[in-house]
Amino acid sequence: DVQLLESGGGLVQPGGSLRLSCAASGFTFSSYVMRWVRQAPGKGLEWVSSITGSGASTYYADSVKGRFTISRDNSENTLYLQMNGLRAEDTAVYYCAKDSEDGSGANGYWGQGTLVTVSS
Amino acid sequence: DIQMTQSPSSLSASVGDRVTITCRASQSISTYLNWYQQRPGKAPKLLIFAASNLQSGVPSSFSGSGSGTDFTLTISSLQPEDFATYYCEQTYISPGTFGQGTKVEIK
Repeated sequence: DVQLLESGGGLVQPGGSLRLSCAASGFTFSSYVMRWVRQAPGKGLEWVSSITGSGASTYYADSVKGRFTISRDNSENTLYLQMNGLRAEDTAVYYCAKDSEDGSGANGYWGQGTLVTVSS
Repeated sequence: DIQMTQSPSSLSASVGDRVTITCRASQSISTYLNWYQQRPGKAPKLLIFAASNLQSGVPSSFSGSGSGTDFTLTISSLQPEDFATYYCEQTYISPGTFGQGTKVEIK
């Protein structure tokens, strides 16, 4: 079975940094686009970043470009999100998601999420 | 970016009711439209991909239709476990964008 397990969230001061991890299992990790999607408290879903299977191409929402870096270690089946220059508006649950099998670009599987709180 | 607008934002319904949620895209997205269900405190779950294809394991009471700019998610007979928030998402043009969500509550 596909499993995605995020970790690394917590409380951080404005301007601080955090690195999120997503440990994947149950599928050939290197074959799939992976994404980070976030959800601010009581709000909707917002795509944050994507990375191709090889890691060669990365994409970012304008709201995080230049501050966040997505990466992956295919030997360890792990996805990362390095978050620098954190702002209050980055407070959210961060989900990692696996591309679906069908080529639609849907997020076929989601982790349980990790909460990032940016506050002084 | 393509804007996705869902209606209604919330609705109240009873067990056994037929429920329809609409999603409209700001430009044509062919059938690159997905639907997710999110129960309180849980991660989203893919229900429908490419407008009308049921994800494996999802009950057949869920169905999707539409193409171009207008799409519909239908629950044919609402069950207690279906009370949740539903999101549409377009993946025609990157970045994928979500609708604002439709909360289905118990009447």
